[in-house]
Amino acid sequence: EAGVTQSPTHLIKTRGQQVTLRCSPISGHTSVYWYQQALGLGLQFLLWYDEGEERNRGNFPPRFSGRQFPNYSSELNVNALELEDSALYLCASSTTTGGNQPQHFGDGTRLSIL
Amino acid sequence: GEDVEQSLFLSVREGDSSVINCTYTDSSSTYLYWYKQEPGAGLQLLTYIFSNMDMKQDQRLTVLLNKKDKHLSLRIADTQTGDSAIYFCAERYNTDKLIFGTGTRLQVFP
Repeated sequence: EAGVTQSPTHLIKTRGQQVTLRCSPISGHTSVYWYQQALGLGLQFLLWYDEGEERNRGNFPPRFSGRQFPNYSSELNVNALELEDSALYLCASSTTTGGNQPQHFGDGTRLSIL
Repeated sequence: GEDVEQSLFLSVREGDSSVINCTYTDSSSTYLYWYKQEPGAGLQLLTYIFSNMDMKQDQRLTVLLNKKDKHLSLRIADTQTGDSAIYFCAERYNTDKLIFGTGTRLQVFP
């Protein structure tokens, strides 16, 4: 069974640009979560999508947005990139919400802002 | 509140046991997780424990939960060099998001 896949693996952008990161969940998983792992800030929750709807978002500005498609894959969009957006962006998926539905992570997209 | 704390570093000799500790603040947490992150990789789910359990064993891994003190630990028996990584504890908070600790870097030396 394929795990969570993310693309691209690495990206280099400059300040002010826009970026789109992609995530394919494990087959059968309907929930997708995005986390940011920035140096010195640890792992922080960004967004949660379930059944195509945004269910919750973390303490990030509106230039961080995303969506979930009918096949449950997801995109994370970041506009007006800033130097502090340099981080590893991790996507996770799980089956239905509630109960013990562990989140399984992909290998992430490393975003570097110059 | 949302706060999970871990010590930053742990160094052990190959073959010894490792114990990684974690404290959390949200008494309403339902599940607590341990993840492993190797260099350049994402997070690998190691094990989890439900908040009404005291202990869970899974091969070389033993999780202990002290709900009264909000303390969680992960014991790795017979630690190997391949266990060198960063270990994160995480609590499931409110509407399904995970709150992660700062991570403990485990170094195993021969």
